Amino acid sequence: DAGVIQSPRHEVTEMGQEVTLRCKPISGHNSLFWYRQTMMRGLELLIYFNNNVPIDDSGMPEDRFSAKMPNASFSTLKIQPSEPRDSAVYFCASSLAPLSGGAGTQYFGPGTRLLVL
Amino acid sequence: GENVEQHPSTLSVQEGDSAVIKCTYSDSASNYFPWYKQELGKRPQLIIDIRSNVGEKKDQRIAVTLNKTAKHFSLHITETQPEDSAVYFCAASIRLRHQFYFGTGTSLTVIP
Repeated sequence: DAGVIQSPRHEVTEMGQEVTLRCKPISGHNSLFWYRQTMMRGLELLIYFNNNVPIDDSGMPEDRFSAKMPNASFSTLKIQPSEPRDSAVYFCASSLAPLSGGAGTQYFGPGTRLLVL
Repeated sequence: GENVEQHPSTLSVQEGDSAVIKCTYSDSASNYFPWYKQELGKRPQLIIDIRSNVGEKKDQRIAVTLNKTAKHFSLHITETQPEDSAVYFCAASIRLRHQFYFGTGTSLTVIP
């Protein structure tokens, strides 16, 4: 298995530009998570999906951030317009939630390192 | 929601010594507790996990203990090696929910 795939791995953009981050979860996994990691704030959960449906987006910083999961094998996180304070590493993770309920082990992608100038 | 606190934030040990990282959680409904290791510039990777029906779990030099009454769990690394140097994150997950609540991380340095 290729694991969780993210693209791009690095993104440098100018303030005001639109940024789209992409994620392909592990095949068969039914939950997908978007995290942001910075030195100041640590690892923050932005949003997660279960069976392609957004369950909790309370971590999304503001309306400039949006996420979609059109099918079980693809998700996007979009920032429009981007700002310098959005600079961070964005991780996507996926898991297979057990039928008995609760959380499955999360496997992280390699991350996208975003720099907004 | 759940609140996970992790201590210490930094830890330095001599090679060969043991390292212990402690986490506390607030919600008694939490039932799954994974530990992740993140090397510099890399992704977090699961190293060990424990469910609430178990008090201790070992995997070679790594062990995790859980005290449900006190709502805390700990990561123990024995015979530390320089390659153990990394940031370690604990997490808790509440029964019937999918997300993890992560601690703030412990930066472990193993001095050769």
